[in-house]
Amino acid sequence: KQEVTQIPAALSVPEGENLVLNCSFTDSAIYNLQWFRQDPGKGLTSLLLIQSSQREQTSGRLNASLDKSSGRSTLYIAASQPGDSATYLCAVHGSSNTGKLIFGQGTTLQVKP
Amino acid sequence: NAGVMQNPRHLVRRRGQEARLRCSPMKGHSHVYWYRQLPEEGLKFMVYLQKENIIDESGMPKERFSAEFPKEGPSILRIQQVVRGDSAAYFCASSPKMTSGSADTQYFGPGTRLTVL
Repeated sequence: KQEVTQIPAALSVPEGENLVLNCSFTDSAIYNLQWFRQDPGKGLTSLLLIQSSQREQTSGRLNASLDKSSGRSTLYIAASQPGDSATYLCAVHGSSNTGKLIFGQGTTLQVKP
Repeated sequence: NAGVMQNPRHLVRRRGQEARLRCSPMKGHSHVYWYRQLPEEGLKFMVYLQKENIIDESGMPKERFSAEFPKEGPSILRIQQVVRGDSAAYFCASSPKMTSGSADTQYFGPGTRLTVL
């Protein structure tokens, strides 16, 4: 059974700092991994999707890496801003390829001005 | 291109009533997924549908919950005889047609927040 874990559960940093969010999964047979952002009381915004054959994806100040063999992904945020404050969710498409996403519990990030 | 639309955004029901949640996928998307986010918990998959077909309902509670995605109109998540434990945010997502061996990005709607009194 696929399980996704995100560490840390919460993170508080000063503005301008570079930071790394971690995601681990127990079954390396995934189709892809997706990072989302969720603002309080809001829906999910897709940030990056990494196919299983890829090692990383970049979008602006965000860079996501994937190491399937070790069951890990990281989301790197450069030069953090107060507007980055949100909960970041990692999700994998499980090995059954039904399209089902399996989510981690999320990391709640606060960037202080 | 409008995003995934869900309505209502907030729904209040009394115990024993029925709740009907609607989801209109993005234009051109034929795959719909429903997820539930209980208070202080992560998102959990409920059901995956294509037009007129349920593909995977492994996350659906065995009783009181049903979902459909008809040929015309939005996808409906129906909860009969609601109980307080059904209070949660229900998110719908859609994606384009999947290609073999991969799965596309899922785009999420804003969610419906169900409160059962």
